[in-house]
Amino acid sequence: DTGVSQNPRHKITKRGQNVTFRCDPISEHNRLYWYRQTLGQGPEFLTYFQNEAQLEKSRLLSDRFSAERPKGSFSTLEIQRTEQGDSAMYLCASSLGTGGRSYEQYFGPGTRLTVT
Amino acid sequence: KQEVTQIPAALSVPEGENLVLNCSFTDSAIYNLQWFRQDPGKGLTSLLLIQSSQREQTSGRLNASLDKSSGRSTLYIAASQPGDSATYLCAVSWLGNEKLTFGTGTRLTIIP
Repeated sequence: DTGVSQNPRHKITKRGQNVTFRCDPISEHNRLYWYRQTLGQGPEFLTYFQNEAQLEKSRLLSDRFSAERPKGSFSTLEIQRTEQGDSAMYLCASSLGTGGRSYEQYFGPGTRLTVT
Repeated sequence: KQEVTQIPAALSVPEGENLVLNCSFTDSAIYNLQWFRQDPGKGLTSLLLIQSSQREQTSGRLNASLDKSSGRSTLYIAASQPGDSATYLCAVSWLGNEKLTFGTGTRLTIIP
């Protein structure tokens, strides 16, 4: 068990560019979640997957955002035409998701995005 | 609206003291409540998870309690140490929804 990993850890991009982040969950975890955190705030839910199926998307996830989990393992989050308001820490979490305590979510180190 | 609130936003206590962090939530129909620790610029570390059927959970010097009827949870830290300095976040998942709703956190500073 190596924990949840995210890449890159930091990304600086210019407004209008596209960016893609990757999350590798804990192996055998079938749930994968994306959150966004801005300075001084708690994380806000963006979307989550059960295996390869995307089950819920937040209203925060505008049409510039897309997330995939093609084989039910790693996931990618893409932001198109980035805006300065997209600057935040993007956090990924995973859980086993088979009931009760197995819904405990384990977080990765995050990807910090800065849009200039 | 389902919300989570943490007060105070910041707390400073001398090393060695016991302390309590507070979390309140609207809507008592929760599924799980998790406490996390976050160091500056880092991800979240899960500390404790309390299921809706439980009243408390303990891990080392940490004890978390849950009172659904009053919409409150507390995180008790015994014999605080400088290494406990961090932001502590409370998060709730409500029945029928796996997503976590977070409070804004309490930034804890332990003074040596």
